[in-house]
Amino acid sequence: NAGVMQNPRHLVRRRGQEARLRCSPMKGHSHVYWYRQLPEEGLKFMVYLQKENIIDESGMPKERFSAEFPKEGPSILRIQQVVRGDSAAYFCASSPSGGGMETQYFGPGTRLLVL
Amino acid sequence: AQTVTQSQPEMSVQEAETVTLSCTYDTSESDYYLFWYKQPPSRQMILVIRQEAYKQQNATENRFSVNFQKAAKSFSLKISDSQLGDAAMYFCAYRILGGGADGLTFGKGTHLIIQP
Repeated sequence: NAGVMQNPRHLVRRRGQEARLRCSPMKGHSHVYWYRQLPEEGLKFMVYLQKENIIDESGMPKERFSAEFPKEGPSILRIQQVVRGDSAAYFCASSPSGGGMETQYFGPGTRLLVL
Repeated sequence: AQTVTQSQPEMSVQEAETVTLSCTYDTSESDYYLFWYKQPPSRQMILVIRQEAYKQQNATENRFSVNFQKAAKSFSLKISDSQLGDAAMYFCAYRILGGGADGLTFGKGTHLIIQP
């Protein structure tokens, strides 16, 4: 059973460009979470999605960031007009259901570098 | 605001010895789950152990065990017989049940060094 997959693993963008990060959850998992890790920091929750629904986006910046999890295909985290402060590692996690008891399984992360 | 505090930015231990990583948290909720995740140099987040707040018995997973003190809001991780492969960043995290706060709240991490 393949784990959570994220691509690309590394992404370089210039200021003002768009970044698209993809996450394929583990087989059988329909709940996806996105986190951001700044250097020397712990992970910060951004958004929680189920198929075709955003359940909790309390950690998402109000502007430039969006996320989706379509019925078919991976979950996408999109950052428009990137700035240097967006440089970070972005992790996706998945779980079979959304209960608090469920363990979230993490992908390897996407390292975004904004030049 | 809910917070997780790991007061030890870095810890060092001799191989085969025991080390304890501390974690305290602040929440007004009564039902929640606590986790320790390991992040080796590969940056992959790996679940080490988890604890349900309603359980008084401390969780154990092979060489890893926790000391959960609910009243003190403390959740320390003990690693016995430390191995070189244990070297990593260790993050304490918790998640409440319901209430719309669905993500994990992480501490800033403790860098564990294993001395051969």
